[in-house]
Amino acid sequence: QVQLVQSGSELKKPGASVKVSCKASGYTFTSYAMNWVRQAPGQGLEWMGWINTNTGNPTYAQGFTGRFVFSLDTSVSTAYLQISSLKAEDTAVYYCARDFEQLAAYYYYYYMDVWGKGTTVTVSS
Amino acid sequence: QSVLTQPPSVSGAPGQRVTISCTGSSSNIGAGYDVHWYQQLPGTAPKLLIYGNSNRPSGVPDRFSGSKSGTSASLAISGLQAEDEADYYCQSYDSSLSGSTFGGGTKLTVL
Repeated sequence: QVQLVQSGSELKKPGASVKVSCKASGYTFTSYAMNWVRQAPGQGLEWMGWINTNTGNPTYAQGFTGRFVFSLDTSVSTAYLQISSLKAEDTAVYYCARDFEQLAAYYYYYYMDVWGKGTTVTVSS
Repeated sequence: QSVLTQPPSVSGAPGQRVTISCTGSSSNIGAGYDVHWYQQLPGTAPKLLIYGNSNRPSGVPDRFSGSKSGTSASLAISGLQAEDEADYYCQSYDSSLSGSTFGGGTKLTVL
């Protein structure tokens, strides 16, 4: 079955870096783009951007440029989110979510059809 | 502040019908972009509930339905059950942001 397995919780100090992994199985990894979504404690979902798993080209949402990097290792069907210079406000659950392309009458639209269980990143001194 | 506006909370008794609105603008829903809905049960990851405004993935009960009109979309849940208590999020594409965006989320309480 299609699933996304994310790496375990992380506790980091301010200024450190963290790399979250998202391993895909049950489908051809390079056939679907991957989204990243952040959820701060008690808050809503925030789209961080996506990465084209064919080309490796990332697209970052406003507010997620500079310290955030999306990358891939297609040999192991895994997407990565790296955050550098961590701040307390980066404390959140980070989700990966597969981007499904749906053909409508005359156009395509995209939605997040499969989600990982999330990785909790806590930034605290 | 999300560009898609949802009520923070809604509630209903078991068996009743509730609706959750998602109000956008001419750069997202009003521009014709499709709306998708996700359900997030307490302590779990979001799950796709409705895609393409009104389509249900396999396994989602037909008690859940979606619609879209103008610059708004709605999620309706009929025959409310205790297990429906969750947070619900709408999502669409926004041309001003050049990317996807989520509504602020709505907490559904089953009384």
